[in-house]
Amino acid sequence: GQSLEQPSEVTAVEGAIVQINCTYQTSGFYGLSWYQQHDGGAPTFLSYNALDGLEETGRFSSFLSRSDSYGYLLLQELQMKDSASYFCAVRSPDRGSTLGRLYFGRGTQLTVWP
Amino acid sequence: NAGVTQTPKFRVLKTGQSMTLLCAQDMNHEYMYWYRQDPGMGLRLIHYSVGEGTTAKGEVPDGYNVSRLKKQNFLLGLESAAPSQTSVYFCASSTADTQYFGPGTRLTVL
Repeated sequence: GQSLEQPSEVTAVEGAIVQINCTYQTSGFYGLSWYQQHDGGAPTFLSYNALDGLEETGRFSSFLSRSDSYGYLLLQELQMKDSASYFCAVRSPDRGSTLGRLYFGRGTQLTVWP
Repeated sequence: NAGVTQTPKFRVLKTGQSMTLLCAQDMNHEYMYWYRQDPGMGLRLIHYSVGEGTTAKGEVPDGYNVSRLKKQNFLLGLESAAPSQTSVYFCASSTADTQYFGPGTRLTVL
């Protein structure tokens, strides 16, 4: 089966740095994705890591260690608008799809205080 | 370019009623998905499609049916709604690495 673990809540103040960890156990692995979801909104794509290492996109970075089945999302220079839920998702093989399919964690609620 | 759209945005059903949720995408994606999201849970895959005329079961398919008669549309049907199907339903289409989600349909079954 597939399982993903991430903290349920994280709080931080504006301007700070926060790291959201994700550990996973999956049968087969293509890559790790991160999605952001504001209250009442749709999930939106943030990043995808297929290889080990750090990927940086503006204030957000994502890291993957395949050998440790671990990844994290790093958010720098936090802003109030970053308050949202963040989901890690593993893309794993699926016999019905050459792209595989995504398995989502339960999400981490990030609250940024002024 | 509207991306992924869903209709309706909200719906209230009585137990046993049926309905169809419509998803449309204008990005020419082959792959489309239906998820449900419940409080404190991540997104769980109901059904998906890898192309026009194809469908496959996901993690929680019971009580739902789907059809993909046209590449741009993916329909999710509830034949006999149950209170356990109260949820927010998201449709998505994807490239290899990225899924693009619609705005969601909030469904309540009384």
